[in-house]
Amino acid sequence: AQSVTQLDSQVPVFEEAPVELRCNYSSSVSVYLFWYVQYPNQGLQLLLKYLSGSTLVKGINGFEAEFNKSQTSFHLRKPSVHISDTAEYFCAVSNINDYKLSFGAGTTVTVRA
Amino acid sequence: DTGVSQDPRHKITKRGQNVTFRCDPISEHNRLYWYRQTLGQGPEFLTYFQNEAQLEKSRLLSDRFSAERPKGSFSTLEIQRTEQGDSAMYLCASSWLTGAYEQYFGPGTRLTVT
Repeated sequence: AQSVTQLDSQVPVFEEAPVELRCNYSSSVSVYLFWYVQYPNQGLQLLLKYLSGSTLVKGINGFEAEFNKSQTSFHLRKPSVHISDTAEYFCAVSNINDYKLSFGAGTTVTVRA
Repeated sequence: DTGVSQDPRHKITKRGQNVTFRCDPISEHNRLYWYRQTLGQGPEFLTYFQNEAQLEKSRLLSDRFSAERPKGSFSTLEIQRTEQGDSAMYLCASSWLTGAYEQYFGPGTRLTVT
């Protein structure tokens, strides 16, 4: 079994400032790691994923994340946010056998002008 | 392809009534997943299908819940004798069998039990 902890439930940030959303996971087997974004009244959209290889992965909308195996972390970053980045962000893991996702509780990002 | 669709988008029902939700996955996706998301929480896995076979059910899925995927195409999730605790967003996702790590989500069905 695997679990995900998102360390910040809410992150307020000013427009054009950087943002980092923290995610830690635990698992007894190898996992894949994901970040999803959910805009109000919409489904989940994949931002980026880590499967293997380079620990720095780039996603859509200028987001990137770094996998750190020793710290079991997968933090999400964006160097300069826009108002349109206001949304709920979910970190998720799946094991490499059945691929079902385990999600964190989410981080609400509110971008202010 | 228009992506994963779910119907209805919203459902209000009285406690004790039965409800059924439908999910249409992306064409030719072999795997179909159901998740439940309650307010302020991340989605939780309920069950998944590979083609028409239901391969796993979470312990969250009580015997009041049943899911089907006839002919390996669309799927239905039925809740019998609804309870207020069933109020949640029900999300459907689909993926190919290979590269199954990438799941595509529908917009969800929001259920409110009064």
